Amino acid sequence: VLLVQSGAEVKKPGESLRISCKGSGYSFTTYWIGWVRQLPGKGLEWMGIVYPGESDSRYSPSFRGQVTVSADRSISTAYLHWSSLKASDTAMYYCARGDRSGWYITDYWGQGTLVTVSS
Amino acid sequence: EIVMTQSPATLSVSPGERATLSCRASQSVSSNLAWYQQKPGQAPRLLIYGASTRATAIPARFSGSGSGTEFTLTISSLQSEDLAVYYCHQYNEWLGTFGQGTKVEIK
Repeated sequence: VLLVQSGAEVKKPGESLRISCKGSGYSFTTYWIGWVRQLPGKGLEWMGIVYPGESDSRYSPSFRGQVTVSADRSISTAYLHWSSLKASDTAMYYCARGDRSGWYITDYWGQGTLVTVSS
Repeated sequence: EIVMTQSPATLSVSPGERATLSCRASQSVSSNLAWYQQKPGQAPRLLIYGASTRATAIPARFSGSGSGTEFTLTISSLQSEDLAVYYCHQYNEWLGTFGQGTKVEIK
């Protein structure tokens, strides 16, 4: 099982961005994929989660309306999308696989994608 | 929003000694509590879920206890590789919230 995330990004405020998380070595449609933010030097925050098999997605209240989580089953890839970045979105973003019996059982994680937003 | 408070902020323990980390919820989360370990420069790793169930391949020296609002993670005999920040996470509601973390240092 591997989750491979897209590379580091440097963007300007107001720009859009989509980062990815490609799953391999397992049935992509039968596990959750979630996204976790870690601000520089800070703790962890769950942002959103998607179940690719049913396109079911859920969001933390803090992130609802701020980002969009999605998945493309045909290429076993999950996405985290911003339509308009802010400097405060500068952070490390991790994807994690959640078990179908309980999304909170996160047995595999991606390596992280560093997003820097600066003018 | 349920607020998770961890204590202490930093814990310094000698190799072979016991480390006890605490996590308190602002309201009951039943047993919907997980513990994560994050080593420097690495992604988090799930240690415990359901308050006391060890995740796959987690060494037996890690154990979790508690329910409701008070939870404990115990490392029975600290190893040098246990240097990390430990986070509790309540998932009583979708996605839930994390505590601010406890940094475990090797004395």
